[in-house]
Amino acid sequence: DGGITQSPKYLFRKEGQNVTLSCEQNLNHDAMYWYRQDPGQGLRLIYYSQIVNDFQKGDIAEGYSVSREKKESFPLTVTSAQKNPTAFYLCASKAFFGQGTRLTVV
Amino acid sequence: KNQVEQSPQSLIILEGKNCTLQCNYTVSPFSNLRWYKQDTGRGPVSLTIMTFSENTKSNGRYTATLDADTKQSSLHITASQLSDSASYICVVSVTGFQKLVFGTGTRLLVSP
Repeated sequence: DGGITQSPKYLFRKEGQNVTLSCEQNLNHDAMYWYRQDPGQGLRLIYYSQIVNDFQKGDIAEGYSVSREKKESFPLTVTSAQKNPTAFYLCASKAFFGQGTRLTVV
Repeated sequence: KNQVEQSPQSLIILEGKNCTLQCNYTVSPFSNLRWYKQDTGRGPVSLTIMTFSENTKSNGRYTATLDADTKQSSLHITASQLSDSASYICVVSVTGFQKLVFGTGTRLLVSP
């Protein structure tokens, strides 16, 4: 089954904790993206990577970090520096999206 | 500033009726325009994609139009079904940067 797989579907974070969201694709796409979705707002770009071992900040990169060690994988870490992390996070490659991870701070 | 504006913000229609959603954009340079359907708690799924030279594109009961001169697009849904209840997002791609500019979406509720 081809596509983009995000995990977990739901994630809870305590104050001051780092958490990592997984994104895997088997579409053989070079470019991958992370977006954040908040109610009433359009998707906002956090980070993107156009090739392995290279990535660029998007519009709202502060408090987030990524890595791109393999073409298939583009994990996103939400660090303790992100003061308002509760949101729906979407990973994409080209125009295809994963099913999202809902992150909640508890 | 690159922007995509959608209207209405929300819409309620009766099952079986038609509806049209609007998208205006000020994105330049333009590459293509996509309409996505996003069910609650799920990732967006592409319905149609149109380039500069295309005026209309259909996908089943969904028909998208594009007027590149006025920078407007519409998504027409025919004979709506309960499963059409979702958010519909207009997304414009900027040429050369693979950057997507997202609208805030129209939330459609199809009522029985």
